[in-house]
This record gives sequence, structure tokens and C-alpha cells, in this order.
Amino acid sequence: GAVVSQHPSWVICKSGTSVKIECRSLDFQATTMFWYRQFPKQSLMLMATSNEGSKATYEQGVEKDKFLINHASLTLSTLTVTSAHPEDSSFYICSAPFSGTAGNTIYFGEGSWLTVV
Amino acid sequence: GEDVEQSLFLSVREGDSSVINCTYTDSSSTYLYWYKQEPGAGLQLLTYIFSNMDMKQDQRLTVLLNKKDKHLSLRIADTQTGDSAIYFCAERTGGGNKLTFGTGTQLKVEL
Repeated sequence: GAVVSQHPSWVICKSGTSVKIECRSLDFQATTMFWYRQFPKQSLMLMATSNEGSKATYEQGVEKDKFLINHASLTLSTLTVTSAHPEDSSFYICSAPFSGTAGNTIYFGEGSWLTVV
Repeated sequence: GEDVEQSLFLSVREGDSSVINCTYTDSSSTYLYWYKQEPGAGLQLLTYIFSNMDMKQDQRLTVLLNKKDKHLSLRIADTQTGDSAIYFCAERTGGGNKLTFGTGTQLKVEL
């Protein structure tokens, strides 16, 4: 079945550095992918829509210069957290829609834990 | 606007049925999804229902949709300890693929 994979699963970085998280659709193409953020014991909040070959669309309140999104191919979107600070520590998870004979489903990656120290 | 609500916690005994409820406000929802999240893990798609359906059954899972009341439920038959997790409902509205998630329900299965 359709699978979405994220890498890395866990990352610890120093304050002020940048971290890149990858989201791949493994056996299907995704012209659009979505990035969410989840704080402990909370729900998922949509950060941005990643569009293949064009600029990402950010949700209100999300800093586009801080959370850089690049969707360079039909199977890969990347989220770069620039100049990370401890308050950026969170669980980041991506999703990709898949249209098959059974209908339209949306699959999620395994998520990436970011800890900024 | 979009608002999706769930009860925060549900405790059931192993072997019983679990019913997790979800209410939403956007009547233009096209698909509604149920995801399972285990501690520290990503989201596992359990099932989904198209907005023109009332019910969908998939093995131990039964989804009921009351579009008039904007109420969605997930029934898990013969609940097992491995079903302990957080369950999120999510709605997809309009023609896009953005999801609005519910607050999540933590299901605890006791022996």
C-alpha cells in the first residue's frame, strides 16, 4: 500500500542551527504534501502546504522564513527549521494524499521528533 | 470556521466494544478520517468515510456518520490491549487535501 516515510525520526540540535526533515512518498507521486506540528498531548496543527515546483502555502501565524519548505520532486518534500530555538522543539509530521481505486486517502509519515538544546 | 471536537479519554475493558465520538462543524466536509497514534509514533490511517455514506464497516471497525447532526463515531469491536492509543478524527473539506483534526481521544484498554 501507499507509504509515506520521514527522516530523521529523531534529531537533537543546538540552538541557532538549522535542521532539515525529509518527507518521501515511497510508491506514489504527490504533487502536494502537508506539514503538521504536534505538541505533547495535543492535536496536529497544519503548518503549510508543500507544492511541487512552486512555493509552499503557509498557514496563518507560521513564519515562512523560519520554516523553509522545498518540494523539488514528485516524491520528496523537505522542511528546514532555520535558526532553531528550544520553543521549536516538537513533533513534526508530514502527509501526502493518495488517490486509488478505493478512493482518496491521506497517509502520514512516521513523524520526526526535534529537540533543540 | 472548522472545529472538530472529541472527548479526551475513554476507558474500556478488554473484549468490550469501544465507541469514540467526534463532532464537526463544517457541513462541506467531503471525507472524514480516523487515525490511530501510538506513543511517540506517527499517524496510522484506520479508515475513512465519504460524506454521502452513513456507515462503513471494516473488520472490527465500524464508522457511523450522521451528517445532519455532524456527528461521526468509530466503534471498535472486541477491543484489545493493543488498541490502546490516541484516536484522531479528521475532516477534509472542499476540493483540497488539508485535514482539520479533532482534539484526540485517548483510549485505555484494561484487562
